[in-house]
Amino acid sequence: KAGVTQTPRYLIKTRGQQVTLSCSPISGHRSVSWYQQTPGQGLQFLFEYFSETQRNKGNFPGRFSGRQFSNSRSEMNVSTLELGDSALYLCASSLNRASGSPLHFGNGTRLTVT
Amino acid sequence: DQQVKQNSPSLSVQEGRISILNCDYTNSMFDYFLWYKKYPAEGPTFLISISSIKDKNEDGRFTVFLNKSAKHLSLHIVPSQPGDSAVYFCAASVPNTNAGKSTFGDGTTLTVKP
Repeated sequence: KAGVTQTPRYLIKTRGQQVTLSCSPISGHRSVSWYQQTPGQGLQFLFEYFSETQRNKGNFPGRFSGRQFSNSRSEMNVSTLELGDSALYLCASSLNRASGSPLHFGNGTRLTVT
Repeated sequence: DQQVKQNSPSLSVQEGRISILNCDYTNSMFDYFLWYKKYPAEGPTFLISISSIKDKNEDGRFTVFLNKSAKHLSLHIVPSQPGDSAVYFCAASVPNTNAGKSTFGDGTTLTVKP
């Protein structure tokens, strides 16, 4: 079974631009979450989608948004990029919504904002 | 307010010895705790978990201990192997929310020396 796929692996953008990241979950997984990891930091929760609906949202500004499609694939968008948005963005899928269900992560998209 | 803390940024041990990674939390509502391992350029992978109703869970060389009164958990790796060298993240989730909204610590970099 294929794992979580994130595209692209690397992105370089300029301040003020916007970016869209893509995530394909493991087949059969309907829950998709997004995390941001900055150097020396843990994973900060961005948002979680299930059945095309945002179920939870982390403490990030409105410039960060996402959506989920009927095939469970998800995208996240960051508008008006700032230097501080440079980070590794990780997508994770899980089989169900139960607390304690392991998350299956993709290899991430490394975003650099110059 | 960081609800999950890994106070040791790094740990170095000799091959064959025991590695002990620690994690403290503040939210008594957490009902599941998970450990993930992350290699460079890869996403985190699930290692082992423990329910808050248990105090120990074992899987091969990996054992997690939970001390609810101290709000502390630890991951023991015995014997440690060079391939265990990675960043280890402690994560926790709250009941009635999706596991996708886990709270992560900042990680501990484990180096196992041959």
